[in-house]
Amino acid sequence: DQQVKQNSPSLSVQEGRISILNCDYTNSMFDYFLWYKKYPAEGPTFLISISSIKDKNEDGRFTVFLNKSAKHLSLHIVPSQPGDSAVYFCAASEGNEKLTFGTGTRLTIIP
Amino acid sequence: NAGVMQNPRHLVRRRGQEARLRCSPMKGHSHVYWYRQLPEEGLKFMVYLQKENIIDESGMPKERFSAEFPKEGPSILRIQQVVRGDSAAYFCASSPSFGGTTNYGYTFGSGTRLTVV
Repeated sequence: DQQVKQNSPSLSVQEGRISILNCDYTNSMFDYFLWYKKYPAEGPTFLISISSIKDKNEDGRFTVFLNKSAKHLSLHIVPSQPGDSAVYFCAASEGNEKLTFGTGTRLTIIP
Repeated sequence: NAGVMQNPRHLVRRRGQEARLRCSPMKGHSHVYWYRQLPEEGLKFMVYLQKENIIDESGMPKERFSAEFPKEGPSILRIQQVVRGDSAAYFCASSPSFGGTTNYGYTFGSGTRLTVV
């Protein structure tokens, strides 16, 4: 039972343009959502999070949007840079110490 | 300030052997989490520990897997009598207190890649 879904396994975006990564969830008990970035042979690195009481959180080039009614969140990266090429994981928490991860989207930034 | 240290980075075991994976949390962090990533899948929660206590082991397989976080030394994930299906990347993460899944996320180590032959 995949409670957090990232339906796009891969995404290619031109350098300087906007990258939009999407994530859907089914568990209405989730109240925190996080995005992690992962390079090969490394562990995931925390990027940005959002509480379910908000619909937007911004940190530099990264913005996360949450649509609770649609059980959907997205990560926007603008402008996209070559160093952004990585696998991005969406994760969710019920407010306990356990994260449920999606399967990831591999983002490739084309110079 | 060293991050979360996991060793070994790569571990090869024959079927039936034991695998011991070690995790040293960041300095000052007393909460440790273990996750497993199977090929082509996301990370799956296994266990959450504080010093000398297992807080949540709801993701641990019922048999052959155990974890500990002693008062002194690293956290250990132990897999007895490994099978081919145990081949995966095992990630450890740490946080200084409760709330590791909210505002600041965990800090993950680089993982141990276990291959069972």
